Amino acid sequence: GQNIDQPTEMTATEGAIVQINCTYQTSGFNGLFWYQQHAGEAPTFLSYNVLDGLEEKGRFSSFLSRSKGYSYLLLKELQMKDSASYLCAVRGTGGYNKLIFGAGTRLAVHP
Amino acid sequence: GAVVSQHPSWVICKSGTSVKIECRSLDFQATTMFWYRQFPKQSLMLMATSNEGSKATYEQGVEKDKFLINHASLTLSTLTVTSAHPEDSSFYICSALDRPNTEAFFGQGTRLTVV
Repeated sequence: GQNIDQPTEMTATEGAIVQINCTYQTSGFNGLFWYQQHAGEAPTFLSYNVLDGLEEKGRFSSFLSRSKGYSYLLLKELQMKDSASYLCAVRGTGGYNKLIFGAGTRLAVHP
Repeated sequence: GAVVSQHPSWVICKSGTSVKIECRSLDFQATTMFWYRQFPKQSLMLMATSNEGSKATYEQGVEKDKFLINHASLTLSTLTVTSAHPEDSSFYICSALDRPNTEAFFGQGTRLTVV
């Protein structure tokens, strides 16, 4: 079966650093994605990990450990506009490269 | 990045009518597109995988006769919600892959309200 877990909600302070964790158990693994979604809008791509290690892209970094079925998204220098839902998604090895999404983590950034 | 256009952005329809939602890849060919549904404060639930020139693959629990998917060309997939009811009111989002093993690009989403 497919199971992707991430915290439901998190809060953080402007300028701080926050780490959003994601654990997964899927039938096959072909990459893990992080998306940002503001209310009422479609998700926007943040990062993609297929090999173990850290991928850094500006204020956002994503880490993957395939042996542990674990990933995290790290947001630095938080800004108010970072308040959004963050979705962890896993691509399986079945046909069509479909993405299965976790429930999402709603992040609230306070002044 | 690649652009996926979804139309309409929002639609209100009467119960019992059908609604068609279009998903177009504007600057690439997408042999595979995905349709998701999202209820308020919930994540995206995959409904079906749309393949150009063949039948769609539906996820368990999704009624194929109610949610008709047609992928007639390499740049267009449509989702038709037939005989819509208020419980079908949701945010419907499509996504497309421009090449295997790359990121999925999302359309803007369609807010469907059935009254």
